[in-house]
Amino acid sequence: EAGVTQSPTHLIKTRGQQATLRCSPISGHTSVYWYQQALGLGLQFLLWYDEGEERNRGNFPPRFSGRQFPNYSSELNVNALELEDSALYLCASSSRGLAGITGELFFGEGSRLTVL
Amino acid sequence: GESVGLHLPTLSVQEGDNSIINCAYSNSASDYFIWYKQESGKGPQFIIDIRSNMDKRQGQRVTVLLNKTVKHLSLQIAATQPGDSAVYFCAENRYGGSQGNLIFGKGTKLSVKP
Repeated sequence: EAGVTQSPTHLIKTRGQQATLRCSPISGHTSVYWYQQALGLGLQFLLWYDEGEERNRGNFPPRFSGRQFPNYSSELNVNALELEDSALYLCASSSRGLAGITGELFFGEGSRLTVL
Repeated sequence: GESVGLHLPTLSVQEGDNSIINCAYSNSASDYFIWYKQESGKGPQFIIDIRSNMDKRQGQRVTVLLNKTVKHLSLQIAATQPGDSAVYFCAENRYGGSQGNLIFGKGTKLSVKP
């Protein structure tokens, strides 16, 4: 069974540009989570999608946005890129949301975004 | 402020010894905790989880201990092996209204010396 897949693996952009990252969850998983992992830091929660709806959002500016498609895959968009957006962006999926229910997150290997 | 943090950012152990990785959390309302392992160049991988109605849970070579009184979580790895070298993250499930998400600590790097 395929795990969580993310694309692209690496992405280089310049300040002010837009970046789009993609994630395909494990088959059957309806929840997708996005995390930012800056160098030397922990994982910062960005967004949670479940059944096509945004369910929760971390403390990030509105230029970080995303969506979930009917097939449960997801896209993360970062507009007006800044240097500090350089990080590993991790996508995770689970069979159900964590709201009130235990749920293991299955992570992809991430998309490394470099902003020059 | 609220935080999930780790007492030791790095830990170096001898192969075969036991490892203990600690984590402090500040939100007493959190009721679910997970340990993840992240090897270089890979995404985090689930190790073990524990609900707040438990004090201890064991897996294969790993044990998680939860002390709700002092809001402390630890991961014990028995007979540490070179393949255990990685960054270990604890995470807590916090509730924001009716919906939650995992909040991760900064991580502890475990290095296993042969």
